[in-house]
Amino acid sequence: KAGVTQTPRYLIKTRGQQVTLSCSPISGHRSVSWYQQTPGQGLQFLFEYFSETQRNKGNFPGRFSGRQFSNSRSEMNVSTLELGDSALYLCASSPPGQGMYNEQFFGPGTRLTVL
Amino acid sequence: AQTVTQSQPEMSVQEAETVTLSCTYDTSESDYYLFWYKQPPSRQMILVIRQEAYKQQNATENRFSVNFQKAAKSFSLKISDSQLGDAAMYFCAYKMANAGGTSYGKLTFGQGTILTVHP
Repeated sequence: KAGVTQTPRYLIKTRGQQVTLSCSPISGHRSVSWYQQTPGQGLQFLFEYFSETQRNKGNFPGRFSGRQFSNSRSEMNVSTLELGDSALYLCASSPPGQGMYNEQFFGPGTRLTVL
Repeated sequence: AQTVTQSQPEMSVQEAETVTLSCTYDTSESDYYLFWYKQPPSRQMILVIRQEAYKQQNATENRFSVNFQKAAKSFSLKISDSQLGDAAMYFCAYKMANAGGTSYGKLTFGQGTILTVHP
């Protein structure tokens, strides 16, 4: 079974631009979570989607948004990019059901650099 | 809010030796999950081991085992017979058991411990 895939793997943008990152979960997984990883702040939870609905959101400004499609693929968007948005963005998918310890399977990440 | 603390930014171990990585957490919940994740230089995060808070027995996965002390809110990872491939950043993570709302999909991570394995 294919793992979580994220595209693109690397991205360079300039301040003020917007960016869209994509995440394809493992087949059959319906929950997708997004995280931002920086050297200073570590790994921080952005949001979680399940069946096209955002169920949870971390403490990030409204410039960070996401959505999920009917095939469970998810996108996150960052508008009006700031230098501090430079980070590795990770997505993770989880299988359905309570009995799976809600284990999250991570993708390789998208490295975003804002100049 | 839940917090996870890893007090060892870096650790090193000789190949074939044993190393223990520390993790403490703070929560008012009684039902939750704890995880150790490994992030090698390739950046793909991999689950190493998991522990359910209501289970008193410490989890074990081959060379990896945990020492879960619920009252002390401590969750350390022991790696036995260390191998060169164990070199990575290790993250301790907490997740509230699913009860809706703010528990969905959210892992709270520690700052990580870089493990170096010397041949």
